[in-house]
Amino acid sequence: DAGVIQSPRHEVTEMGQEVTLRCKPISGHDYLFWYRQTMMRGLELLIYFNNNVPIDDSGMPEDRFSAKMPNASFSTLKIQPSEPRDSAVYFCASSSHGGANTEAFFGQGTRLTVV
Amino acid sequence: DAKTTQPPSMDCAEGRAANLPCNHSTISGNEYVYWYRQIHSQGPQYIIHGLKNNETNEMASLIITEDRKSSTLILPHATLRDTAVYYCIVRVRGGKLIFGQGTELSVKP
Repeated sequence: DAGVIQSPRHEVTEMGQEVTLRCKPISGHDYLFWYRQTMMRGLELLIYFNNNVPIDDSGMPEDRFSAKMPNASFSTLKIQPSEPRDSAVYFCASSSHGGANTEAFFGQGTRLTVV
Repeated sequence: DAKTTQPPSMDCAEGRAANLPCNHSTISGNEYVYWYRQIHSQGPQYIIHGLKNNETNEMASLIITEDRKSSTLILPHATLRDTAVYYCIVRVRGGKLIFGQGTELSVKP
C-alpha cells in the first residue's frame, strides 16, 4: 500500500477563496483523522470519521471548515472562505478498528498558505 | 482524556542511548501509551505502543512503570537521523490521538 495520500502537497490561495484538501486513506482502514499543525498551537485534531461517518468534529475551528467522507477511500476538508490565519500544515491519518491497540498512519500533509 | 507531560527538549550524543521520559499520572486502566515522532515537517511516524508490559521493536524500547503513571522511550543507539520531536500520547477510546507539545530531541555528533 502507498500509505495515506494527501493532495495537493502545497496550496497557495488568496483570502476569501475556497480551498479543498484531499485525502486517500490506507485501504481497509475504517478510521480517518484530520489534523492541523501550526507553530503556535501544535498538532490539533479537527475531526475524525469511523466508517465514513463523522464521530467528533469538536476540533473544527469555525463554520468555515467542513469535512466529508463520501466513501471509504476518499475524504475532503474544505475551507470557505479562507483567511490568512488558516495558513498551516494539514495532515490526514488513518487507522483500523479504532480500538486503543492500533496505530494511526499519517500522510505527508498539505501546506496551505492564504495570502 | 489523560494528559501527558514531557520535557520540551533534550540532547543526546550520537551512538548513545536516548531516554525520553513521559508522565501520564491520570491514565486509565484500558488506555495505551503511544509514541510518535515527527521529523522536520513530515507527517508524524508511529514508533511503539504498550499497555502494561515493556515493549521492544526494531526502532525502540518502551518501559512503563508498574503503576503506569510514567514511561520512557529508549532509542538504544541514537543517530543524527533520530533528531525529531517525540510525542508521548495516551490513546483514548474512540481512536483519538491527542498530541501535546512533545520533546524536541537533538542528536549531536
